[in-house]
Amino acid sequence: TQLLEQSPQFLSIQEGENLTVYCNSSSVFSSLQWYRQEPGEGPVLLVTVVTGGEVKKLKRLTFQFGDARKDSSLHITAAQPGDTGLYLCAGAAVYSGGGADGLTFGKGTHLIIQP
Amino acid sequence: NAGVTQTPKFQVLKTGQSMTLQCAQDMNHEYMSWYRQDPGMGLRLIHYSVGAGITDQGEVPNGYNVSRSTTEDFPLRLLSAAPSQTSVYFCASSYLADQPQHFGDGTRLSIL
Repeated sequence: TQLLEQSPQFLSIQEGENLTVYCNSSSVFSSLQWYRQEPGEGPVLLVTVVTGGEVKKLKRLTFQFGDARKDSSLHITAAQPGDTGLYLCAGAAVYSGGGADGLTFGKGTHLIIQP
Repeated sequence: NAGVTQTPKFQVLKTGQSMTLQCAQDMNHEYMSWYRQDPGMGLRLIHYSVGAGITDQGEVPNGYNVSRSTTEDFPLRLLSAAPSQTSVYFCASSYLADQPQHFGDGTRLSIL
């Protein structure tokens, strides 16, 4: 069973501060996805990282995939109240033969940005 | 483009009642899945389908049934509701199992 551990579980910071959330596993993933979920809605994809060491930027959000493809981080610069939400990482398994179990989701980081 | 549509958005049931949560997608996705989301537990896979006529169990399938008669629809049936099934249920779809998932807005279900 592949597990993805996210940290911290909860984070509350002031507007304008920087933050980093982590997604770690002992397993190798073929790709890793980050989602944001707002109250009353389903998760929405932010980015997919595929290559070990890959860095992707989405405005003030920077996503990095670890060299060994076992971990990832999300860094937010100058956080804004609109960044508030639940951030989920999800890994796609490296299959040695068939299977359609889909993604392994972390439990998420609840982020609150206070004005 | 509606994406993934779930109905109802809210439902309250009594223990022992049965009901069906509806999920429809208009993106011609082959892969569809059902998750439940509980505080501190994250998203847990209930059942999934890789195409019409094919379904399989996920991590927490007990108490739930699914069918996939068409590519578009993937209903989730609660056979005899129990308080432990109080949760938020999400349906998702994608072209393949490991591709980015498109989620519906969820059904909030309370079992009394």
